[in-house]
Amino acid sequence: RKEVEQDPGPFNVPEGATVAFNCTYSNSASQSFFWYRQDCRKEPKLLMSVYSSGNEDGRFTAQLNRASQYISLLIRDSKLSDSATYLCVPSGGSYIPTFGRGTSLIVHP
Amino acid sequence: NAGVTQTPKFQVLKTGQSMTLQCAQDMNHNSMYWYRQDPGMGLRLIYYSASEGTTDKGEVPNGYNVSRLNKREFSLRLESAAPSQTSVYFCASIQGAGYNEQFFGPGTRLTVL
Repeated sequence: RKEVEQDPGPFNVPEGATVAFNCTYSNSASQSFFWYRQDCRKEPKLLMSVYSSGNEDGRFTAQLNRASQYISLLIRDSKLSDSATYLCVPSGGSYIPTFGRGTSLIVHP
Repeated sequence: NAGVTQTPKFQVLKTGQSMTLQCAQDMNHNSMYWYRQDPGMGLRLIYYSASEGTTDKGEVPNGYNVSRLNKREFSLRLESAAPSQTSVYFCASIQGAGYNEQFFGPGTRLTVL
């Protein structure tokens, strides 16, 4: 089983839609979790951190299910500018954050 | 704060040529990383440095060497470039251990002909 698995998509949604991505991880020792956003051929940038059961920031909500070893990202009221690739990164306190391949989101008018 | 900086931004090499990619961070971070990203692929770790004076191999180290010159700088060297090394290279750093956010540089786009 891969360390981090994400549906690569693309998820193609209209403006205003609600969309959710899941990410499963295999390392049960993972303590902290991050969602990064990556625009085409640019560097990843932090979107949200998740240290307990979840986190909410405006239109974005991340939820963690440790028992099933997955984290989700929910985006409400999608904007055109949300089009990007979303990377899930579990981290176990080691020096090696593990990246998934990412989920591609395309928001269309 | 400039954050994480990388030079050069773009580079074209011929097969067999060598070059060094430079990375520097001004956030006093302990850990630094080099990743490569190929089209449609995720980030793959080449080498990392948990602290000044230490380096370790990542997932895809073959064909590369690194130097942690000091706490700020972490360079990646291609001794004999191959077309398979055509990629976008990202440097990143973390304060402390992996519990914290990674900060990335803008990337170096390398083409090997």
